[in-house]
Order: sequence, then C-alpha cells, then structure tokens
Amino acid sequence: AAGVIQSPRHLIKEKRETATLKCYPIPRHDTVYWYQQGPGQDPQFLISFYEKMQSDKGSIPDRFSAQQFSDYHSELNMSSLELGDSALYFCASSLHLAGNGETQYFGPGTRLLVL
Amino acid sequence: AQTVTQSQPEMSVQEAETVTLSCTYDTSESDYYLFWYKQPPSRQMILVIRQEAYKQQNATENRFSVNFQKAAKSFSLKISDSQLGDAAMYFCAYRWGGANSKLTFGKGITLSVRP
Repeated sequence: AAGVIQSPRHLIKEKRETATLKCYPIPRHDTVYWYQQGPGQDPQFLISFYEKMQSDKGSIPDRFSAQQFSDYHSELNMSSLELGDSALYFCASSLHLAGNGETQYFGPGTRLLVL
Repeated sequence: AQTVTQSQPEMSVQEAETVTLSCTYDTSESDYYLFWYKQPPSRQMILVIRQEAYKQQNATENRFSVNFQKAAKSFSLKISDSQLGDAAMYFCAYRWGGANSKLTFGKGITLSVRP
C-alpha cells in the first residue's frame, strides 16, 4: 500500500538559510499534519491542513509557514533557520471521516541539520 | 489541556516473554482516541494499535493488546511473545474526537529485547 512520501529525507542548512520540506499524503487522504521531533523528544504538533485550509496550529514559530495544495500535497517553509531547528520533521496524513475516526499515518520524516 | 504520561523511560524483556508498557492521560473530553506508535532506530513512526474511548472492548492486533481503563485514564500496551524486532521506542498518543485533531504524545519508553 502507498505510504506518505516526504522529501528530501535529509537536509543540511546553514544558520539563517531557508528550507522547504515537502509531503505527499497517502492517495485520497485529504488532511495533512506536520510534527517536529527534537533529539530524544516526543513529536510536537506544528500545523495541520484539511481540504487546503489550515485546520489547527500548534507550536509553530512565526519563521515557519506551510500550505496545502490542490493535489493535497503540503510544503513546510522554514526561514531564518536556527540551530534549534535541527530535528526530524514528520508529515502525517489521514482521511477525514464523518465519525471522526481517522488515524494518522506518518511519513519517514525529513532530518534537518542546521549548522 | 490534554496530557499523556509515560512514567517508565526504559524497559527490558526477554525474547518470547510478555511485557506491559504503561500510559496514563488526562482529559476532560468523553470522545477521544488513544494510540500506540512504535519508533524503531530508523525513526519511522509506525502505528501499533488504536482504541476508541467509546468502546469498552480492548483492542487487539496479533501479539499486541491494550488494557484500556477509561475511569482510571489508563492505557497500557501488552506485547506477547516478544521478538527482537519489537525493540524500539514506544509512544502513547491521545487525540481528541474532533475532526482533524492533532496527536498529543507521551515522552516515550525505550523497550529493549534480550535474546
């Protein structure tokens, strides 16, 4: 079965640079979530989109922005990168269900290292 | 705010034995979902099992089962016939019943399996 695709899988950037992470959800999934997992930490919710509209917002820095496109893929844009942004960034997708029973399926993550 | 607590940072089990991982949560909601995710060294987040709060029956997936105690707000994971491939970080996660709602994770527990 098709899974969530994230690109790139690894990314190395310098401080103050910008980065764009991409997420392609499971086919027919209409909801995308972004999570950040620092070293030795649990994943922290950043932002989510349903049907191309922002659905919820968590602890996402103002330097970050994201959007969901008409084909349901999503991009997380990160500017003015800081050393503390080094983390594993997960994208997860789900299918919106009327009964709210959707399960989130995670991609393999993008490992971002800021030097 | 909803919180998820995994008080045991590490556990160890002998291959072929049974182990139980503990999780408690705090919520004022009546409609919610609980999950266990496995994160092996590859750091992929893999869904192990999920439980709907409105269901009294405990979820089971092959060697994995849960003990869901709604009144006590407890959600433990039992792994039977432990295998070397079960060695990983295990995260307990909570999701409110609202559509497209985020996951809130516990701090995780590292499970090692002794051959």
